[in-house]
Amino acid sequence: QKEVEQNSGPLSVPEGAIASLNCTYSDRGSQSFFWYRQYSGKSPELIMSIYSNGDKEDGRFTAQLNKASQYVSLLIRDSQPSDSATYLCAVNEDGNNRLAFGKGNQVVVIP
Amino acid sequence: DGGITQSPKYLFRKEGQNVTLSCEQNLNHDAMYWYRQDPGQGLRLIYYSQIVNDFQKGDIAEGYSVSREKKESFPLTVTSAQKNPTAFYLCASSRYGTGKETQYFGPGTRLLVL
Repeated sequence: QKEVEQNSGPLSVPEGAIASLNCTYSDRGSQSFFWYRQYSGKSPELIMSIYSNGDKEDGRFTAQLNKASQYVSLLIRDSQPSDSATYLCAVNEDGNNRLAFGKGNQVVVIP
Repeated sequence: DGGITQSPKYLFRKEGQNVTLSCEQNLNHDAMYWYRQDPGQGLRLIYYSQIVNDFQKGDIAEGYSVSREKKESFPLTVTSAQKNPTAFYLCASSRYGTGKETQYFGPGTRLLVL
């Protein structure tokens, strides 16, 4: 089973600050990477997908991928209280449609 | 509206009982998935299906069964063999392809044991 690690504990950030989340993965052959946001008691919703090395920006969110170092990160700029949620990193397995998920990182934005 | 529906929202299971969770999608997706989420944990794959009348075991298939008789529907049965079924169950679907396809999730079913 491929491993996806999100080791940071709950992250508290002041409103307006940058939240930075990291994720490492074990399978060097992984091709697709996803960040999902999950509010308490709700189902995950896609925030970003990234497939190539480098940065991908979408509004206040930036995903960064480094396949050589096997990590993917998510930056949330100008954090808002509505960003308070758990963020799940997901990595595809072997180029098929199976995803391996990390345990998630909880983000709390303090007004 | 296109989307994924799951029912019921809450389900209670008695000892020794089999229960079935419903998942329906109208996104015309070929692939469907069932995940289990325990508190503070990520999602673990139970079963997945990439085409009608075919499905594969995921990482934690023991105590569960599925069927895929229609493209739109992928019900999950939690059998009495599953000794710790209390969890949040999530159904997802995606187009079938090279692995870059996004999985979209239904609202989930919370299963509790009486």
